[in-house]
Amino acid sequence: GAVVSQHPSRVICKSGTSVKIECRSLDFQATTMFWYRQFPKQSLMLMATSNEGSKATYEQGVEKDKFLINHASLTLSTLTVTSAHPEDSSFYICSARVLQVDSPLHFGNGTRLTVT
Amino acid sequence: GQNIDQPTEMTATEGAIVQINCTYQTSGFNGLFWYQQHAGEAPTFLSYNVLDGLEEKGRFSSFLSRSKGYSYLLLKELQMKDSASYLCAVRDNNAGNMLTFGGGTRLMVKP
Repeated sequence: GAVVSQHPSRVICKSGTSVKIECRSLDFQATTMFWYRQFPKQSLMLMATSNEGSKATYEQGVEKDKFLINHASLTLSTLTVTSAHPEDSSFYICSARVLQVDSPLHFGNGTRLTVT
Repeated sequence: GQNIDQPTEMTATEGAIVQINCTYQTSGFNGLFWYQQHAGEAPTFLSYNVLDGLEEKGRFSSFLSRSKGYSYLLLKELQMKDSASYLCAVRDNNAGNMLTFGGGTRLMVKP
């Protein structure tokens, strides 16, 4: 089945620094990848849709200058949390879908970000 | 926008059957998915319904009624490892076929 790899799985950083999270589709090409954020005991909230070769589409309330998304190839999307603050501490999960319209999203294993 | 409602928490006994309901309102329904998520892990795909009726996959079954905006996930012969959150997600073709997730139902299986 389709596999999505996300790295790192866990990161602790100091307030004000930037963190890059990578999301790779290992055995399929993904023209579109999705970035979600999940706070404790809450559901997944879509942050942005990452489109290969073009700008990402951000959901309302998500700052595009703070959460930089780059989708430079059909198998790699990156999310950079710039100038991280403690309130950015969360579980970030990427996902991708093979081209068939009824195929499910396949999720990466997530990245637990803790900003101190 | 979309409204997706599911119970916050449920408790059931090992070996029993539990039904987790999900209701939704969406303008361009194009499929409903159920995911399982263990604490601290990413969601894993369980089932997909786009037509009315029941889809069965081993111990798990999912039902859909599009006219009622209603789905349920049925878990049979519950095992302790089934303790997890179960997420109902709806795809909307008026929203770029993106998935919107419900709040999730935390299921606790007790011996």
